[in-house]
Order: sequence, then structure tokens, then C-alpha cells
Amino acid sequence: DAKTTQPTSMDCAEGRAANLPCNHSTISGNEYVYWYRQIHSQGPQYIIHGLKNNETNEMASLIITEDRKSSTLILPHATLRDTAVYYCIVRVSGANSKLTFGKGITLSVRP
Amino acid sequence: DVKVTQSSRYLVKRTGEKVFLECVQDMDHENMFWYRQDPGLGLRLIYFSYDVKMKEKGDIPEGYSVSREKKERFSLILESASTNQTSMYLCASSLLHGGETQYFGPGTRLLVL
Repeated sequence: DAKTTQPTSMDCAEGRAANLPCNHSTISGNEYVYWYRQIHSQGPQYIIHGLKNNETNEMASLIITEDRKSSTLILPHATLRDTAVYYCIVRVSGANSKLTFGKGITLSVRP
Repeated sequence: DVKVTQSSRYLVKRTGEKVFLECVQDMDHENMFWYRQDPGLGLRLIYFSYDVKMKEKGDIPEGYSVSREKKERFSLILESASTNQTSMYLCASSLLHGGETQYFGPGTRLLVL
């Protein structure tokens, strides 16, 4: 699986957009980009995933660069409840797939 | 909504005890997973199962075993608990195809004294 690199931490103001970057320069053509988050004392939660097109759901948007070497998770209007560790994972889609979680980025949303 | 439940949120056991951690999911998922999470080490896969009575070792299976007698239930067993197994244990489930979209339980924080 391709390795991902994320900053250790970032913060943003409540109500503003949070843009979380992820580098995956060794990604191969059949690998997807997945984002999960983990709020303190809870299990990780799936957010979104994509292959090459930008994706949006009720939680977030995922922007993948044209060369697919990096991506950005966007939380359009961050709230205090979005404070969490966000994990960017690159993985081939398929049966019996396991996820490898790195250290993630800690997002702190301030009032 | 997918629901993954774990039998305990907190558990305290003594060294040498046999420990059972239970996980149940209600979405008829084929895949089930057990991870442990430790500060600075992230989530590490212990075992996973893609069908009843099937199991596969993950990255750190030593000291653990699993049981999957029914599709909805996946048990993690510590045959003889040791202090280095003090950790947060997380169970997850997913469809057979699409195993990257995993749904996690709330976790069990195990302390081995």
C-alpha cells in the first residue's frame, strides 16, 4: 500500500472550513484514498473515499489532485464536535482488505 | 445505521487470566476485525475474519486467538493476559467487497494488572 504523509496537527475556528492535507506521492492507479476520523474515546468513523474524481457527501468533500499524489479533506463548516484525529489511508479496493492507520492529523476546532 | 457493539467499555483483569472480548454487528457483514490501539503506535490489526469459522492473522496475532461461530459475532481471546496487553481494543465490520469502509465499535479499554 502507498504510504501517506499528514501534518501532525492543525486548528481552525468554529464555522470556518477545515482543509486537511494528505500526501501520497507513491499512490498507484488502482488505489483509493480513504478518510476516517476518531473522536476522543470513540472508535474510528468512516468519512469519505475517492479514486480520482472529487467526492462530496453529507460529512465532507474530498479533493484529489490531477496527478493523484495528494488530496485534501474539506469540512466546510467546522464545529467543536469535529475535533478529532483524521486519518488518510490509501488502499486497493477489494475483498478481505485490511486498513493500515497511520498517526493521522489532530484537528482542533476552537470556539 | 450500522451498529457494532462491544461487550464492555472498560475491563480490569489480572495477569494470567483468560479474557474474552465480544463484538456483535447487526448489518450482516461478512468481514469482522479486531484492532488494538496504543499511544504512538496507532491502530494495529490483530485478527480478521471474512466468514463464519474463518480467520486470518493480522499484524500482531501473538498472544491472541479469535472465534467466529456466528456471522454477527467475533470474539477476541487473550489466553493468558499479560501487562503488555493493556490497551484499547477496537472491533470493526464491513461488507465482503468494500472492506475498506469499516464500521467500528466504541472500543474496550483493557487494563491488565
